[in-house]
Amino acid sequence: QSVLTQPPSASGTPGQRVTISCSGSSSNVGHTHVNWYHHVSGTAPKLLIYTNNHRPSGVPDRFSGSKSGTSASLVISGLQSEDEGDYHCTSWDVSLNIWVFGGGTKLTVL
Amino acid sequence: EVQLVESGGTLVHPGGSLRLSCAASGFTFSNHEMHWVRQAPGKGLEWLSHIRDFGLTLFYADSVRGRFTLSRDNAKNSMYLQMNSLGPEDTGLYYCVRESRDANNDGFFDLWGRGTMVTVSS
Repeated sequence: QSVLTQPPSASGTPGQRVTISCSGSSSNVGHTHVNWYHHVSGTAPKLLIYTNNHRPSGVPDRFSGSKSGTSASLVISGLQSEDEGDYHCTSWDVSLNIWVFGGGTKLTVL
Repeated sequence: EVQLVESGGTLVHPGGSLRLSCAASGFTFSNHEMHWVRQAPGKGLEWLSHIRDFGLTLFYADSVRGRFTLSRDNAKNSMYLQMNSLGPEDTGLYYCVRESRDANNDGFFDLWGRGTMVTVSS
């Protein structure tokens, strides 16, 4: 049972916009920042969004993040086939004093 | 090339021990705090352990505290995870992860290895 809650799956067709949610509590998402990762099986997970809404260099501006209260969202605009994979959110939990993750959302591009 | 490469994962019997290694290259290893994160089959990511830059401060998840020991050798650009009293629940893909911080000192995991598989089974 993951501390942060994500939908297990999401899907869309090429060009569509997809939103993935990440719900936490006042001791994690509501207290500090959220980071997002993209993971394709067999490869190293990749940082997608850090500190709620910042993109590392090399990440297309099709990816954007936001946070409000105890929830965060990742939006992928102009969906592409290479966006398939698992998306994970994480945040620092000030009560548990550990990094906590969501269960991951498997994105399928139809 | 900037990368992290894990090694040491294998099949081990319940109650056994294993030592994982993480070799860093392409960046100043001693400048970064490092972590281990694992993913059990069909499950989400689980943070396990964290070591600060000079190895004097360590943090562990409750699930591994007392059984796992994290260490690093900055001269060898390496990090190690000694795992004892392994159980089937420790089966998973173990990732070595680098932490970086932004201007506000907020941390994020900006570099991951491909992982090394640990299977605990009789």
